[in-house]
Amino acid sequence: GQQVQQSPASLVLQEGENAELQCNFSSTATQLQWFYQSPGGSLVSLLSNPSGTKHTGRLTSTTVTKERRSSLHISSSQTTDSGTYLCAIESNAYKVIFGKGTHLHVLP
Amino acid sequence: GALVYQYPRRTICKSGTSMRMECQAVGFQATSVAWYRQSPQKTFELIALSTVNSAIKYEQNFTQEKFPISHPNLSFSSMTVLNAYLEDRGLYLCGAWDSANSDYTFGSGTRLLVI
Repeated sequence: GQQVQQSPASLVLQEGENAELQCNFSSTATQLQWFYQSPGGSLVSLLSNPSGTKHTGRLTSTTVTKERRSSLHISSSQTTDSGTYLCAIESNAYKVIFGKGTHLHVLP
Repeated sequence: GALVYQYPRRTICKSGTSMRMECQAVGFQATSVAWYRQSPQKTFELIALSTVNSAIKYEQNFTQEKFPISHPNLSFSSMTVLNAYLEDRGLYLCGAWDSANSDYTFGSGTRLLVI
């Protein structure tokens, strides 16, 4: 079935460094979202980006639909960016499939 | 904008008891609602997809007998975890499908602790 692979599984950065997170998926996605899950567990939608490049604040997402991949770039990371970043795709029949996430830890 | 309120945010129940969680869609009509569970150290698994005026479709390993879902109108859905045990702990998430925008909006999740 449809799979969503995220890399790296975990990432440790010094504050101020940039982060690059990857998401690859196994079949066509009609929608793709990036989420942030706080250490407490709450989920926040960051960006919806089924194709092309989108920016919001320090976040930039680039999705290349025909190559079935998306990236999330976090610039000038802050300690408050620490948490899990999830990629989720919507393929068909209203199903959303989540990746396992990238666990980001930003050190002061 | 489209919002989904999910509550409670966090709940604790005794082993063998049941707990109910709810999702409210605001600003759009939720024609379908998907319920997910994130067990410790795992990603989100789809439990079931509920579409108004259609049968609820449960994924493998999840049953109506264990996770009954109600989706009575285009703004509300609830799911109950019956006879909760340790393996049911985790974060439960609802996602509501906005047919006008062809997009899902998710709640913040309900964290279930079982003691």
